[in-house]
Amino acid sequence: NAGVTQTPKFRILKIGQSMTLQCTQDMNHNYMYWYRQDPGMGLKLIYYSVGAGITDKGEVPNGYNVSRSTTEDFPLRLELAAPSQTSVYFCASSKSGGGTDTQYFGPGTRLTVL
Amino acid sequence: DQQVKQNSPSLSVQEGRISILNCDYTNSMFDYFLWYKKYPAEGPTFLISISSIKDKNEDGRFTVFLNKSAKHLSLHIVPSQPGDSAVYFCAASDPNAGNMLTFGGGTRLMVKP
Repeated sequence: NAGVTQTPKFRILKIGQSMTLQCTQDMNHNYMYWYRQDPGMGLKLIYYSVGAGITDKGEVPNGYNVSRSTTEDFPLRLELAAPSQTSVYFCASSKSGGGTDTQYFGPGTRLTVL
Repeated sequence: DQQVKQNSPSLSVQEGRISILNCDYTNSMFDYFLWYKKYPAEGPTFLISISSIKDKNEDGRFTVFLNKSAKHLSLHIVPSQPGDSAVYFCAASDPNAGNMLTFGGGTRLMVKP
């Protein structure tokens, strides 16, 4: 049981490039989330999904896209990377979306846009 | 406007003593509060939580206190151990916002042997 896995661990992009951050969970969780963490700041929700085929915007969705074709996978797409997207990205999952339900996080992807 | 704030970016404590990490919030609709712990190069992991209908929850060395009138919660670690050195995030859940979590900026705890 690997939990939540993310690839890559690190990436450097040039301004205007695109990339996809991969996230997979093997806990059969319905809910999945993408957060970004900037230095000294808390995690901010980018997008979330309540199940396969259903996604919704979080607090900071601009510049990102997501899809959820399976229960296990929730990739995050960056189009036209900008320096403001330099951050650490965390994927998480939970069985349900209730506030009391524990979210399990992946190890993160550190992205630098130059 | 940050709805959840951790005003101390760092805290240093001697091993065996008490660590107290603080968190303030502004949204009175938050009904559930959580603490997550994060080691370097790892994702956050759940530590302890408390419902807004309680004022205290204890789990081993960790206790969370909630003061609703002051919109303040705190995490007490007693006794502190070097392995507790990590970044601690408080988070709050708003039922009016789909129970999505709002996180504070984190406090880096260093426990010295």
